[in-house]
Amino acid sequence: DSGVTQTPKHLITATGQRVTLRCSPRSGDLSVYWYQQSLDQGLQFLIQYYNGEERAKGNILERFSAQQFPDLHSELNLSSLELGDSALYFCASSVGVAGAMGNTIYFGEGSWLTVV
Amino acid sequence: QQQVKQSPQSLIVQKGGISIINCAYENTAFDYFPWYQQFPGKGPALLIAIRPDVSEKKEGRFTISFNKSAKQFSLHIMDSQPGDSATYFCAASKASGSRLTFGEGTQLTVNP
Repeated sequence: DSGVTQTPKHLITATGQRVTLRCSPRSGDLSVYWYQQSLDQGLQFLIQYYNGEERAKGNILERFSAQQFPDLHSELNLSSLELGDSALYFCASSVGVAGAMGNTIYFGEGSWLTVV
Repeated sequence: QQQVKQSPQSLIVQKGGISIINCAYENTAFDYFPWYQQFPGKGPALLIAIRPDVSEKKEGRFTISFNKSAKQFSLHIMDSQPGDSATYFCAASKASGSRLTFGEGTQLTVNP
């Protein structure tokens, strides 16, 4: 158990809908990352937050947004869903300061999103 | 733009054999190279990591070899066991804790 908690574990929704994925980082971790894993694209970095502020942005669609709250949990919002958005979405966390000793990135078990 | 290329896509090894997975990177700003192991239904978990100031790092049966001039690094699993059957991802970042760029993954099967 990595200590990163993601909910829900599975989600089935229709095209055009909006969903919210939730993540609680490991205790003490200030950085949260979101990754998308699909068969054709592999593990793709979406976005990183550090202590409530956006730190880095990857290939995140404009239909997707994220935020990190004062209690450090994070939410990934996916809207106007398309069939191609079906994937496994991982949240990960780390202590946060890049280059710091022991700054391992720990992954949760993911949220399976199926868009039908 | 794929910045980390991983091979092979799949690998079958007999119990007790050596598993070797290779990765190559393009971005010379990368300074941290971890390997992650992922079992079905689970998230990736850090296995071992290396920085470019050393050419090799060993932890138990797992060894990373790093060739900075060739921009390549590899994972060697000695005495492979059926319990090692999983998907392995190499990754790279500009520092530990920075965003990771992953390779495509290698599905390893160790036959008993």
